[in-house]
Amino acid sequence: DAMVIQNPRYQVTQFGKPVTLSCSQTLNHNVMYWYQQKSSQAPKLLFHYYDKDFNNEADTPDNFQSRRPNTSFCFLDIRSPGLGDAAMYLCATSGVAGETQYFGPGTRLLVL
Amino acid sequence: SQQGEEDPQALSIQEGENATMNCSYKTSINNLQWYRQNSGRGLVHLILIRSNEREKHSGRLRVTLDTSKKSSSLLITASRAADTASYFCATESNFGNEKLTFGTGTRLTIIP
Repeated sequence: DAMVIQNPRYQVTQFGKPVTLSCSQTLNHNVMYWYQQKSSQAPKLLFHYYDKDFNNEADTPDNFQSRRPNTSFCFLDIRSPGLGDAAMYLCATSGVAGETQYFGPGTRLLVL
Repeated sequence: SQQGEEDPQALSIQEGENATMNCSYKTSINNLQWYRQNSGRGLVHLILIRSNEREKHSGRLRVTLDTSKKSSSLLITASRAADTASYFCATESNFGNEKLTFGTGTRLTIIP
């Protein structure tokens, strides 16, 4: 079945230790999104790719970076995680930008 | 903030009753979407309604859109315990910026 996969599902890191979250998709969608979601809040868009074109949200901290080496994979790098970065990180894809998004199960990040 | 507002924030009803959630937004839109999120999971797309549509149905779901009031409602009929989840509306603005803005969400609890 076509899907969006996120690994790992749970990630524990130490304060200041770089961490990478991964997302892959078998839907062959052009657009990939990374969201941060804190408890009982709406998903907050960090950035998105339209093919290889990277689009950063104005309020996304520089601490967050992303890579998309090919259509199928996208990575979220947090260079120096702080306690405030503990959250669920959601990856999503879309075949047509602005229309239906297909979400992965999320990676829950814990910062110690 | 362009984030939408959802009302109520939380809703508890008996199984079999109907549940209605409302969403208000601030900018002109191309489409409005509703998503469901089970606790600790990714979001699942439920329905998309375009700005030139007023009502849409999918199974037990009915969505209305009033662009003059910048509001939408989601009705779930004959609720089931499995409908317990958070429900988010999301809008694509007509600025063509390839992304969705999510509302604050409604936490729905179905009491068996």
